[in-house]
Amino acid sequence: QVQLQESGPGLVKPSETLSLTCSVSGYSISSGYYWVWLRQPPGKGLEWIGNIFHSGNTYYNPSLKSRVTISVDTSKNQFSLKLHSVTAADTALYFCARGTAARPTYFDYWGQGTLVTVSS
Amino acid sequence: DIQMTQSPSSLSASVGDRVTITCRASQTISNYVNWYQQKPGKVPKLLIYAASRLQSGVPSRFGGSGSGTDFTLTISSLQPEDFATYYCQQSFNIPYTFGQGTKLEIK
Repeated sequence: QVQLQESGPGLVKPSETLSLTCSVSGYSISSGYYWVWLRQPPGKGLEWIGNIFHSGNTYYNPSLKSRVTISVDTSKNQFSLKLHSVTAADTALYFCARGTAARPTYFDYWGQGTLVTVSS
Repeated sequence: DIQMTQSPSSLSASVGDRVTITCRASQTISNYVNWYQQKPGKVPKLLIYAASRLQSGVPSRFGGSGSGTDFTLTISSLQPEDFATYYCQQSFNIPYTFGQGTKLEIK
């Protein structure tokens, strides 16, 4: 069974960098699929942040592209998110997920989500 | 960006009802639409992909249709566990975008 688990600080100060890691079990990241970050502000809808393939190819949401870095560590079967220069608007529940590489891309396995609050 | 507009935003229905949720894309997107169910405090769950394909393990009372710009999610006979928020999502172009959600409540 594929399982994903997010980890990282739950509180980040404004202007600092949000860093999260997603640990994958039950499936090798190197075997394919996209590895995805999404977020959901409290009480609001879902927003796609970006994808990474095991090769390191990345695709980012243009609205966040200047501040986002997604990386992969196949040796640890993990992938990570860094979001720089955060503001209160980045407060959200952050999810990692698996996305199909073949189109149409859909997200079939999700982590439980981790709440990140941006506040001083 | 492709805008996905769901209607209605909220809906009250009874157990046993047939329910339809609509999603309209701001441009043609073939069949590149997926549907997710999210219960309060829970993770989104994939129901339908490629507009009409039922994800493994999802009950057959869920169905999807549409192509181009107009898509529907239908629940043929509502069960108590179906009361949740439903989202459509397009994967035709990056950035992938979601509808604003339809909250399905018990009447």
